[in-house]
Amino acid sequence: EAQVTQNPRYLITVTGKKLTVTCSQNMNHEYMSWYRQDPGLGLRQIYYSMNVEVTDKGDVPEGYKVSRKEKRNFPLILESPSPNQTSLYFCASSLGGLHYEQYFGPGTRLTVT
Amino acid sequence: GQQLNQSPQSMFIQEGEDVSMNCTSSSIFNTWLWYKQDPGEGPVLLIALYKAGELTSNGRLTAQFGITRKDSFLNISASIPSDVGIYFCAGHDNYGGSQGNLIFGKGTKLSVKP
Repeated sequence: EAQVTQNPRYLITVTGKKLTVTCSQNMNHEYMSWYRQDPGLGLRQIYYSMNVEVTDKGDVPEGYKVSRKEKRNFPLILESPSPNQTSLYFCASSLGGLHYEQYFGPGTRLTVT
Repeated sequence: GQQLNQSPQSMFIQEGEDVSMNCTSSSIFNTWLWYKQDPGEGPVLLIALYKAGELTSNGRLTAQFGITRKDSFLNISASIPSDVGIYFCAGHDNYGGSQGNLIFGKGTKLSVKP
């Protein structure tokens, strides 16, 4: 089944403890992206990647890192999480080029205390 | 970043009624997408539109790419309880720097009363 998977689905952590949220897609998509969703603010892009080893900042990149060493994986890293990073996170992917339809993962709900 | 104006913000309707929502942009778009998000889940792509004036259906859903290329509409006919959720529009504005990035509306929250 073609899909985007994220792990973990739920995570509660403490301020300053490094964490990684994994994202993987099995559709051979070139483009991948991370979003956070907060009430009243909609979906906001954190980072995106046009292809392997190519990443760029979105609208809200502060406090996050990403890497794209393989085409299928695009992990989101929080080196020192803070409470304002408590949010619902989505990974998405698309074919790239002129194909803009993005397919979303199921989400990761992160709570930082 | 740039955002789309999506309206209405929320709707509370009776089962069986038709629903209309829309998105407008200040810039021209070359692609419009409509997504639905169920509570606690990721957005799911419903309909994709690629040409001005295009009208596309997916079951009881019909979406249109506005002729001006600055708006799009989504209609749901004969709503049922499982239509409940948040509907998002998204678009690509064809500027070279935006690459594959989509611009999202803030969503229309639909509630259906049985």
